[in-house]
Amino acid sequence: DAGVIQSPRHEVTEMGQEVTLRCKPISGHDYLFWYRQTMMRGLELLIYFNNNVPIDDSGMPEDRFSAKMPNASFSTLKIQPSEPRDSAVYFCASTSHLRGTDTQYFGPGTRLTVL
Amino acid sequence: ILNVEQSPQSLHVQEGDSTNFTCSFPSSNFYALHWYRWETAKSPEALFVMTLNGDEKKKGRISATLNTKEGYSYLYIKGSQPEDSATYLCANAPNSGNTPLVFGKGTRLSVIA
Repeated sequence: DAGVIQSPRHEVTEMGQEVTLRCKPISGHDYLFWYRQTMMRGLELLIYFNNNVPIDDSGMPEDRFSAKMPNASFSTLKIQPSEPRDSAVYFCASTSHLRGTDTQYFGPGTRLTVL
Repeated sequence: ILNVEQSPQSLHVQEGDSTNFTCSFPSSNFYALHWYRWETAKSPEALFVMTLNGDEKKKGRISATLNTKEGYSYLYIKGSQPEDSATYLCANAPNSGNTPLVFGKGTRLSVIA
């Protein structure tokens, strides 16, 4: 299996621009998570999906952030408009069940820099 | 402790030294404890999952222990090597076991050759 795939790996954009991050989970996994990693706040859960349905988006910072999962093999995280404080590494992860002992499998992340 | 806390935040050791760091979690809201290893520019990878008090897991030179009554886990690295340089993340799966993991901020380890 190719693992969780994220694109792009690096994104540099200017403040005010729209940014779209993409994720392909591991085939057969029913849960997909979007995280943001910063030095200050560590790994924060932004939103997660079960069977393509958003379950909890309470971690999404504000209305500028939105996430979709149109099918079982694709999800996007969009920031519009982007701001310098959005600069971080954004991870996507997937897992087959949510039973506490189930491992989450992470993608390599997208390093976002907003100038 | 309401959240998952890790200490120290960062650590520099010499090649060959053994080291350890701590993960604290709420003992009253615990189902499982996960350790992950994250090398920059790579995917975080799972090291261990532990559930039972007194559990000890080992993978090569890395081992972990769990104390669910007092709410902490230790990660040990014996004879550190430069390739051990990474951020080590721990995560708590809360009581219900059917909610997402709660991660600590990580301990960033640098092993100097």
